[in-house]
Amino acid sequence: ETGVTQSPTHLIKTRGQQVTLRCSSQSGHNTVSWYQQALGQGPQFIFQYYREEENGRGNFPPRFSGLQFPNYSSELNVNALELDDSALYLCASSFTGTAYGYTFGSGTRLTVV
Amino acid sequence: AQSVTQLDSQVPVFEEAPVELRCNYSSSVSVYLFWYVQYPNQGLQLLLKYLSGSTLVESINGFEAEFNKSQTSFHLRKPSVHISDTAEYFCAVSNAGGTSYGKLTFGQGTILTVHP
Repeated sequence: ETGVTQSPTHLIKTRGQQVTLRCSSQSGHNTVSWYQQALGQGPQFIFQYYREEENGRGNFPPRFSGLQFPNYSSELNVNALELDDSALYLCASSFTGTAYGYTFGSGTRLTVV
Repeated sequence: AQSVTQLDSQVPVFEEAPVELRCNYSSSVSVYLFWYVQYPNQGLQLLLKYLSGSTLVESINGFEAEFNKSQTSFHLRKPSVHISDTAEYFCAVSNAGGTSYGKLTFGQGTILTVHP
């Protein structure tokens, strides 16, 4: 197993800009989810992709979007960044759902100034 | 909708003492339950999970948690903690099947600090 790798580890953006965060899932894991963890909070579910289709979404606006690729990599895109978007963004992969337990990456720390 | 409440935001304890981190959940459907641990500047690591069967589940490093359906709780315990157990612990729940079974709902976290 190669684990879940996220890039970059840290990022600083200006309010109003757009950002793309990347995740490389474990081989064979066809489910990927993204979570936002604000400082001092538990992670909040953004959305889930299964076999390249979004099949679940949390309470996040449409400016949060994603892609999943056949090579087990995925992206989280955030448009029109706001100060409140500053958080740790976690990617998690699984083989068809939580029954097997998600494997989380180390996250990308996004700071919006 | 599901929710998770971790009853203690911070738990200080001395090394080799027992500890209990409390977690209650709310759900209208059957659930899977999880405990994750997060060390500073790192992602989440799965500590243990309850899917079905025995209500007492154990981790390889001495933690255990018991699923109590009537009290909707999944408290985490360790009989003797080590300095290295200092971290933040998150309780999480997901649907046991259904369209959103991939989604995890987390509690706010409990910071466990083990003092020498």
